[in-house]
Amino acid sequence: EVVLTQSPATLTLSPGLTATLSCRASQNIDSTYLAWYQQKAGQAPRLLFYSASTRVTGVPDRIRASGSGTEFTLTIKRLRPEDFAIYYCQQSGDSVLSFGGGTTVE
Amino acid sequence: QVQLKESGPGLVRPSETLSLTCSVSGGSIENSHWSWIRQSPGRPLEWIGHIYYSGSANYNPSLRSRVAISMDTSENHFSLTLTSVTAADTAVYYCARLGDFFVAPRLDPWGQGMLVTVSP
Repeated sequence: EVVLTQSPATLTLSPGLTATLSCRASQNIDSTYLAWYQQKAGQAPRLLFYSASTRVTGVPDRIRASGSGTEFTLTIKRLRPEDFAIYYCQQSGDSVLSFGGGTTVE
Repeated sequence: QVQLKESGPGLVRPSETLSLTCSVSGGSIENSHWSWIRQSPGRPLEWIGHIYYSGSANYNPSLRSRVAISMDTSENHFSLTLTSVTAADTAVYYCARLGDFFVAPRLDPWGQGMLVTVSP
């Protein structure tokens, strides 16, 4: 079973700055199986990226995802009020899914 | 576009069985995978399991002994049952489509979520 560890747990930043979120897998995973989600308070998660770096329609290009192997990164430039949320990485290898513990951007 | 909505009892007694249904509109549940995910208060997301329209299912190893997911193509919905519940099963339960499972799997779209409380 692949364990995803996200860091930091909380990122405290001001609007306009850059947030860098990390997701580390306990073993190599095919980047095809790595996705990122955003969750705001009281809402269902929203898909942002899949296949490690493929942006979903509607996600601004100042938000970027990258990575391979065991290290994956979500970068949010020029933070806007709507970006303050919890972000989760998720993997789908071996038909057993798992989520990271999340990073709160506040 | 495809939309999902969870339904079922919001309160379940300890040791009883939790049963939820996810109704899918705007598309057929055939030819795709469908998932259940939950989130206990203040906790991260936890994958419960998923099912393919063929009927094959995969479950979280930590829940496998208590969980079952089924689907009804005539009603265009799929269901979750979780037996012998305890307070630790109190959570918001989400259903989601696990799209492009064999190419680039991702959970999208999601239902709005449903809070299920386990309490006497």
